[in-house]
Order: sequence, then C-alpha cells, then structure tokens
Amino acid sequence: DAKTTQPPSMDCAEGRAANLPCNHSTISGNEYVYWYRQIHSQGPQYIIHGLKNNETNEMASLIITEDRKSSTLILPHATLRDTAVYYCIVRVGGNQGGKLIFGQGTELSVKP
Amino acid sequence: NAGVTQTPKFRILKIGQSMTLQCAQDMNHNYMYWYRQDPGMGLKLIYYSVGAGITDKGEVPNGYNVSRSTTEDFPLRLELAAPSQTSVYFCASQEIRDRGSEAFFGQGTRLTVV
Repeated sequence: DAKTTQPPSMDCAEGRAANLPCNHSTISGNEYVYWYRQIHSQGPQYIIHGLKNNETNEMASLIITEDRKSSTLILPHATLRDTAVYYCIVRVGGNQGGKLIFGQGTELSVKP
Repeated sequence: NAGVTQTPKFRILKIGQSMTLQCAQDMNHNYMYWYRQDPGMGLKLIYYSVGAGITDKGEVPNGYNVSRSTTEDFPLRLELAAPSQTSVYFCASQEIRDRGSEAFFGQGTRLTVV
C-alpha cells in the first residue's frame, strides 16, 4: 500500500499559488518524498523530491515539516497547463531498494 | 537519448490471446517498473526489476510475467488475455542513488481485450 495520503481534488485560480498537501506519517528517517504529476493519460512526470530541507526547482517548491510527517508542493503561479493529477510518493522499502507505489493522488483543476 | 520507449502504443487483443509489451531504456538505469492504470484510477505496480536477472512482484502481478535479461529491456508478457486486463500500461526506469532520483516513464501502451 502507498505510504501517503492526499486530498482527492483541489481547485486553484490561474495565476495564484497552488498548495498541494500530503501526509506521510510513517515515513522513516532516510526516506525521500517524491512528487510526480500526470497530465491527461500521459506518462507521469517527475516534479521534485526532498528529504528534510525545503527544495525548489524551476517547476515547484517542496516544503517538508520539521517532523517530516507531512509536506506541501507549491506551484507558485499556476497555469491552465498545470491541471493534472499530482502524486506524492514515499518509496515502499526505503531509498536503496523497495518499490515506487502510487496512491490515488490529488486532481488539481486550474480555472481561469 | 530516447529515454523509455514502449511498443506498441495501441493494441486490441481477443480473449485468450497472448502478447508481449516491449519496454526499452537507454539510460543504463538499474530499476525498471511496469504499471497498469485503469480508467479514472491511479497507477498499480505489476512487476519491477532491480537489475538484469532479478524481478519481483508488485501489487497486481496475476496474469502477467516479466523477464530482465539485459539492463535495457524489460518486456511484460500477457498470457491468456482477459477483459479485466484492458488498461493503459506504463513502463518506467530509475537509477537508485543515495540522494534520491527521478523515475522516467514511457508514454504508455493502450490495450483493449475484447
């Protein structure tokens, strides 16, 4: 089973920040949090990953709480092209082995 | 680099037929995965491989077989196709590193069993 829980859906206005939450209360100390998204029925696309420090790249920012039991993916200026299903993932079985198990994700709708 | 290439893109099978979905990656990644995605649902892991010659079951392995004779290729075999195997199949590859790494996905194979 997936080690994360996410809300099934969210809306966001175009141009505003989209904040997508994720709970991973059973995460172990050395396990990374990954975010992927899937647009329409294309193959999932990697967004970002982090361990305990906040991370930022050209696509998004990842904020991980100090206890590491939850995180938030931030799309700073959402566009209509960001409408997708967003998956928060912790590898089942650890970083050096294990499996990449997807949960149900959050369906983000960016509206004009 | 082509990344992860899946063939075919579309296929219609009759009940009871067999087929092999092909997946190839040119990034020398150690891990490879097969997923299926039913309409409106998330991805379910079928099988995965941690390197050539090593495979293991995922969440939904029944009705499928895999092999990994080379680093590059990870074919998925369907024996005796059933309507319940109608789905979109995704292959992915990943190089597992200490600092975490991204998985790369193919564009999928859309399979219909009638």
